[in-house]
Amino acid sequence: DQQVKQNSPSLSVQEGRISILNCDYTNSMFDYFLWYKKYPAEGPTFLISISSIKDKNEDGRFTVFLNKSAKHLSLHIVPSQPGDSAVYFCAGSGAGSYQLTFGKGTKLSVIP
Amino acid sequence: DAGITQSPRHKVTETGTPVTLRCHQTENHRYMYWYRQDPGHGLRLIHYSYGVKDTDKGEVSDGYSVSRSKTEDFLLTLESATSSQTSVYFCAISDPTSLGPSGGGRTDTQYFGPGTRLTVL
Repeated sequence: DQQVKQNSPSLSVQEGRISILNCDYTNSMFDYFLWYKKYPAEGPTFLISISSIKDKNEDGRFTVFLNKSAKHLSLHIVPSQPGDSAVYFCAGSGAGSYQLTFGKGTKLSVIP
Repeated sequence: DAGITQSPRHKVTETGTPVTLRCHQTENHRYMYWYRQDPGHGLRLIHYSYGVKDTDKGEVSDGYSVSRSKTEDFLLTLESATSSQTSVYFCAISDPTSLGPSGGGRTDTQYFGPGTRLTVL
């Protein structure tokens, strides 16, 4: 049973445009969500997080939106740059738990 | 970047042999984790530790054991490696805190090491 779903295995975006990566979750106990970026042959790198007490968190070009009623979060990258080409993982964590449950990832390709 | 190293970075071994992977941190973080990454599966938790000698199982713990005798080191052992354990293994660390609602909620970001690519022939 997949508790965190990233339904788009891949996404291509033109440089300078907006990239929107989506993530759905089924576990209503999740109250903390994170996005990680992963380049080939490297470990995942933390990108941005959001607590369930918020519906938006912004850090530079990256913004995460959380819709608790829909159990959906999205990562917006504006403007997209070729260096953003990577696999992006969404993860959720439940109250009182320090374990993360990851989605399968979305491969973003930003085309110059 | 968090100070996390993994050794070895690459290893090829044969079915039935024991294998130990090491994760070392210099951040004095309380929690340490072992994940495996496989195509089509994302990152899956194998075992984690919440303190010296305190460990617990994750989602895919069968065939793996762990030990943590010091804060800075977390070992993952495959007692008898199988081909299904061919994977990329990542260690992660975290130091969870609760900031409370006015502080933006909790934070328990995990920081990952560079990974170990293990091939079992």
